[in-house]
Amino acid sequence: DAGVTQSPTHLIKTRGQQVTLRCSPKSGHDTVSWYQQALGQGPQFIFQYYEEEERQRGNFPDRFSGHQFPNYSSELNVNALWLGDSALYLCASSLGGGQYAPKTQYFGPGTRLLVL
Amino acid sequence: GENVEQHPSTLSVQEGDSAVIKCTYSDSASNYFPWYKQELGKGPQLIIDIRSNVGEKKDQRIAVTLNKTAKHFSLHITETQPEDSAVYFCAASSSGNTPLVFGKGTRLSVIA
Repeated sequence: DAGVTQSPTHLIKTRGQQVTLRCSPKSGHDTVSWYQQALGQGPQFIFQYYEEEERQRGNFPDRFSGHQFPNYSSELNVNALWLGDSALYLCASSLGGGQYAPKTQYFGPGTRLLVL
Repeated sequence: GENVEQHPSTLSVQEGDSAVIKCTYSDSASNYFPWYKQELGKGPQLIIDIRSNVGEKKDQRIAVTLNKTAKHFSLHITETQPEDSAVYFCAASSSGNTPLVFGKGTRLSVIA
């Protein structure tokens, strides 16, 4: 049973460029959440996708956008990259549905983005 | 919003000793508290979680305790081994749609 997969593993971009990161959730999961993890910090929530719609959003600017496909995989797009966007970007999958019980989230290995 | 504080930031123990990591949270609505282990170059791996309807949960050498009145929860690792060396994160969330809020992590070093 494949876990959460992410691509690419590493990426180097220059300021002002755009980047797209990809995530495939754990088999059977339908919800994808994206987190940004700066060096030495805990992951920070960016947004969550369920049924191809953005369901929740953290305190990130509109330069960060996403998409979820019918097969539940997801993309994270970041426009106009800053140096400060350098981080590990993590995707977590869970089984959505009911709104009441918090769902266990399983993380992928992450994509390390370096902005020069 | 929720705020999670985690202590200590670094912890060194001798192999075979116990390690305890503590977290406090601010939102009384939080009712789910997972712990993740992150090794160098990898994503966080869920090691144990607890929901607010229980006070303690154990899985082999790992246990988590929760005190909802005081709004704190702790991770206990007994009989530590060198492979337990990693960064450990606590997190909290409430309803199913609420994202996880993480602590800043504890770097655990187990010295052989």
